[in-house]
Amino acid sequence: DIQMTQSPASLSASLGETVTIQCRASEDIYSGLAWYQQKPGKSPQLLIYGASSLQDGVPSRFSGSGSGTQYSLKISSMQTEDEGVYFCQQGLKYPYTFGAGTKLELK
Amino acid sequence: QVQLKETGPGLVQPTQTLSITCTVSGFSLTSYYMQWVRQTPGKGLEWMGFIRSGGSTEYNSEFKSRLSISRDTSKNQVFLKMNSLKTEDTGVYYCARLAGSLRDYFDYWGQGVMVTVSS
Repeated sequence: DIQMTQSPASLSASLGETVTIQCRASEDIYSGLAWYQQKPGKSPQLLIYGASSLQDGVPSRFSGSGSGTQYSLKISSMQTEDEGVYFCQQGLKYPYTFGAGTKLELK
Repeated sequence: QVQLKETGPGLVQPTQTLSITCTVSGFSLTSYYMQWVRQTPGKGLEWMGFIRSGGSTEYNSEFKSRLSISRDTSKNQVFLKMNSLKTEDTGVYYCARLAGSLRDYFDYWGQGVMVTVSS
């Protein structure tokens, strides 16, 4: 199975600050990487797919980049509503696998 | 609009069988693959398996021996059945729609159903 390793496990950011979350795959996943945001008591919501494509309705302050085994999610200006847990997911090979999550809090 | 909703028991006894139904609207099950994903305290988010638009299935080997996914297209419903439940199976179970081609992702999720495995 492809292992997905996220870092950091948690971070706090001030309003307006730029936030970057990393995700590393155990093998090349050829941009088959998606990012999700999950708020307490809610299901994950798709933010980014194909490593860098923004899902419809997601604010443009979210962006994704990367290739091979290294990927990142950037929030260009932290907002209150961005608090939550962020997960990466590889969609190249079965079984699809997820990172353990990064908890983002407002400082 | 696209909607998914899971229904199922909140409490299941160890060794028993879990049955959850996912009812969808706003799209056809014959056009999309439908997944089951669970979130447990021990292992986080785990992809369990899917049923293809054509009706065939694919399972995570972690669950293969005790998991079954099926559907009723006339009722717009997808079903999960998992037997031999253990306390470690306690968690939230989601159905989700798969999008993408060769670079797969889940574009819509249900709200999830919390399942507790306990005697």
